[in-house]
Amino acid sequence: KAGVTQTPRYLIKTRGQQVTLSCSPISGHRSVSWYQQTPGQGLQFLFEYFSETQRNKGNFPGRFSGRQFSNSRSEMNVSTLELGDSALYLCASSQGHGQWPGEQYFGPGTRLTVT
Amino acid sequence: AQSVTQLGSHVSVSEGALVLLRCNYSSSVPPYLFWYVQYPNQGLQLLLKYTSAATLVKGINGFEAEFKKSETSFHLTKPSAHMSDAAEYFCAVSERIGAAGNKLTFGGGTRVLVKP
Repeated sequence: KAGVTQTPRYLIKTRGQQVTLSCSPISGHRSVSWYQQTPGQGLQFLFEYFSETQRNKGNFPGRFSGRQFSNSRSEMNVSTLELGDSALYLCASSQGHGQWPGEQYFGPGTRLTVT
Repeated sequence: AQSVTQLGSHVSVSEGALVLLRCNYSSSVPPYLFWYVQYPNQGLQLLLKYTSAATLVKGINGFEAEFKKSETSFHLTKPSAHMSDAAEYFCAVSERIGAAGNKLTFGGGTRVLVKP
C-alpha cells in the first residue's frame, strides 16, 4: 500500500503571497490531519478533515484553511504569508472511524520557506 | 487540556548503551500515548502506542515503553543503541474530540545522538 504523499516537498514564497499544499492519504483512509512543525513551537495541530468536513481545528489564525475532496485528498492553504509561517507542514492520514484512537500515518512533509 | 513534557531536548549515548527518553503527560482522562521517531528530512514514524491494554508496550526497532499512571510517565527505552537510532523522538498524547475526532498533542522532542 502506498504511503501518505505530500506535494510539493519544498516551496519558497514571498511575504504576502498565498500557498496551497496537497496531501494524498493512504488508500481507504478518510481522515486527514495537518500539523505545523517549527523549531520554536514544535509540532502543532492545525486541523482535521473527515469525509470532506472539518472535524477539528487547532489554534491558528483564519489565514490557515483547508479542504478535503471526495477522494479524501486534502489541501491546505495559507494566505497572506508571514515570515513566521516558515515551517515543515506534515499531513497525517487515518481511517477516521471505528476503534479510537486511529493510528495516524505521516507523510514526508512540505518544507515552506517564506522570504 | 492535555500536555506532554519531554525531559531533555538532546541525549547523547554510546553505541550499545541503554537509550532512555523521558516523557510525562498531563491528562484529565485516561490517556492514549504514542512515541514517534523522525529521521532527517522525513515525516514521523510510529514506534509504539499505549491504549490502556498492557502497561509495557513493545514497538518496532527494539524500543519499548512503560506506562506508569502514578508517575504520569511513558518513558521510552532501548537496551542497546545502534547508530541508526540517531533521530528525533516525539512523545504524544491523543485527545478525543467529539465522537471520533483525533488530535495529537506532542512533546517538544528529544534529539538522540549515538556515538561510535
